[in-house]
Amino acid sequence: GQQLNQSPQSMFIQEGEDVSMNCTSSSIFNTWLWYKQDPGEGPVLLIALYKAGELTSNGRLTAQFGITRKDSFLNISASIPSDVGIYFCAGQPGQAGTALIFGKGTTLSVSS
Amino acid sequence: EAGVAQSPRYKIIEKRQSVAFWCNPISGHATLYWYQQILGQGPKLLIQFQNNGVVDDSQLPKDRFSAERLKGVDSTLKIQPAKLEDSAVYLCASTGPPHYGYTFGSGTRLTVV
Repeated sequence: GQQLNQSPQSMFIQEGEDVSMNCTSSSIFNTWLWYKQDPGEGPVLLIALYKAGELTSNGRLTAQFGITRKDSFLNISASIPSDVGIYFCAGQPGQAGTALIFGKGTTLSVSS
Repeated sequence: EAGVAQSPRYKIIEKRQSVAFWCNPISGHATLYWYQQILGQGPKLLIQFQNNGVVDDSQLPKDRFSAERLKGVDSTLKIQPAKLEDSAVYLCASTGPPHYGYTFGSGTRLTVV
């Protein structure tokens, strides 16, 4: 089946640093989404992207939908301790409502 | 609005036993999904419902897993008999118009010993 390659697998940064993570696929997606998952909780949607080339911000988070529709990146600026968690990219290959395909996640650790 | 409700939060069973999980989606959401998340991996779709009909169950191990959504609202996922490799978090999610992102429940953490 379709797979997403998400990197890096983990990151250890100092508070205040910027973070960048990305996802690539061998297939085209119609929608890219970025989620954050805290321990013991389900994933929470951070940003959704619907058009190739789209750049969207949500506070300190910025994500882009790649022009080829096969990749996406997420940037976090000026990281804070509560940014700690696992970040997942997810792609939607079909029309709205079709199931998401998830990457394996990037575990972010922030030291103060 | 109330979120996606799941129960139980945790379950420990012995292999070969059976177990059931329950999910109540956000009111009005016609589409419901069950995902399996093994430790260290992203969620993987098990089954998708549209109202009370199955849209996609291609990745559901049907020899041991079953799911239903009889009235098009809440749903149950059952495993019988459980195997050690079924240890995972089982996430339920729902979506409705305009169909962007999903809302996930907190999940049920299953440990099979």
